[in-house]
Amino acid sequence: KAGVTQTPRYLIKTRGQQVTLSCSPISGHRSVSWYQQTPGQGLQFLFEYFSETQRNKGNFPGRFSGRQFSNSRSEMNVSTLELGDSALYLCASMGGTGETQYFGPGTRLLVL
Amino acid sequence: SQKIEQNSEALNIQEGKTATLTCNYTNYSPAYLQWYRQDPGRGPVFLLLIRENEKEKRKERLKVTFDTTLKQSLFHITASQPADSATYLCALEVDGNNRKLIWGLGTSLAVNP
Repeated sequence: KAGVTQTPRYLIKTRGQQVTLSCSPISGHRSVSWYQQTPGQGLQFLFEYFSETQRNKGNFPGRFSGRQFSNSRSEMNVSTLELGDSALYLCASMGGTGETQYFGPGTRLLVL
Repeated sequence: SQKIEQNSEALNIQEGKTATLTCNYTNYSPAYLQWYRQDPGRGPVFLLLIRENEKEKRKERLKVTFDTTLKQSLFHITASQPADSATYLCALEVDGNNRKLIWGLGTSLAVNP
């Protein structure tokens, strides 16, 4: 099976702009979670989607949003970018057991 | 609040020795704990899961212990190799209904030839 894919891999934006990141889970996986990873904070949970519905949400402001399509692909959007949003954004898919997370390579976002 | 701590300092060991990494947590009783490996510029890769009623789990050269009284998990890599050099993350299940995880910051391991 192909692994989790994320696009784009790298992105440079300026403050105030918005960005959309994409994630394709492993075939058959219906759960997609998004994380922000920074050196100081580690992996911080953003949200999880399951069958097109947001099932869990972390403690991030409303500027961070997501959605999931009927084919389980997911997108994450960040509006009004701030310098502090610079991070590695990871998505992970889960299969039927719902315990092990399979991560994509991440999108490295730099906000200038 | 829930807190999860891993050795903050990088661990340097000689090839062939056993590496031992620590994960301590407070204020929660997780149903399971997981260990992942992360290489630079890549996403974490799942290694092992251990449940609260399991004391020890093994997979090839890897061994994980889980002491729910001490609120601690130890992760061992025996006969370490330079290819084991990476950052190792522990993740704690904190919400059984929603399968939500919280993550440690990770410990960087360097195995020297």
